[in-house]
Amino acid sequence: GAGVSQTPSNKVTEKGKYVELRCDPISGHTALYWYRQSLGQGPEFLIYFQGTGAADDSGLPNDRFFAVRPEGSVSTLKIQRTERGDSAVYLCASSLTWTSGKETQYFGPGTRLLVL
Amino acid sequence: SQQGEEDPQALSIQEGENATMNCSYKTSINNLQWYRQNSGRGLVHLILIRSNEREKHSGRLRVTLDTSKKSSSLLITASRAADTASYFCATDRTGANSKLTFGKGITLSVRP
Repeated sequence: GAGVSQTPSNKVTEKGKYVELRCDPISGHTALYWYRQSLGQGPEFLIYFQGTGAADDSGLPNDRFFAVRPEGSVSTLKIQRTERGDSAVYLCASSLTWTSGKETQYFGPGTRLLVL
Repeated sequence: SQQGEEDPQALSIQEGENATMNCSYKTSINNLQWYRQNSGRGLVHLILIRSNEREKHSGRLRVTLDTSKKSSSLLITASRAADTASYFCATDRTGANSKLTFGKGITLSVRP
């Protein structure tokens, strides 16, 4: 079946602008995760959804970042007043359930965000 | 913050040789996973080993886990040029809500 998809694949924006990044998880997966990966680093956790609710948003760097998952499927990561330091690859992952320690997370191809 | 530390940071081998990559972590875990990444994009899941397991195999991959030393190793046997990629270990820490903590990764180059 189809894997995790993310759109757009690339996004170039100007400092101060607002951006939305979309993630379509694998059908039937109830848990959804957002990570951010800077050049030369491993992915870093941002936020995690169980169904529609954000179960853990401890990785969001500040209040300019927000994510929603209104119907428990597609999720949107929203970044307000973008800064150059927000430039990174934003990765989305999903897993069948959120049972801690038991589920493989499947990653999408990522959205490469460049803030000029 | 990143929990895992992989070593070496970069590894270059000849096709056909075995590649061994190591990962150390700091806190107790539920499981440890290895991922592969090509060209800085999507991560491909390779293998998951639970904290009560010591060794797992999948095709040419062999993963070991030593929870007493807080370390894991990934062995790729009979490497191929197509194995050239970055490899990351990721830990699902106990009490961490299933979020993964990644290391900085190992760059593997397999020369044809």
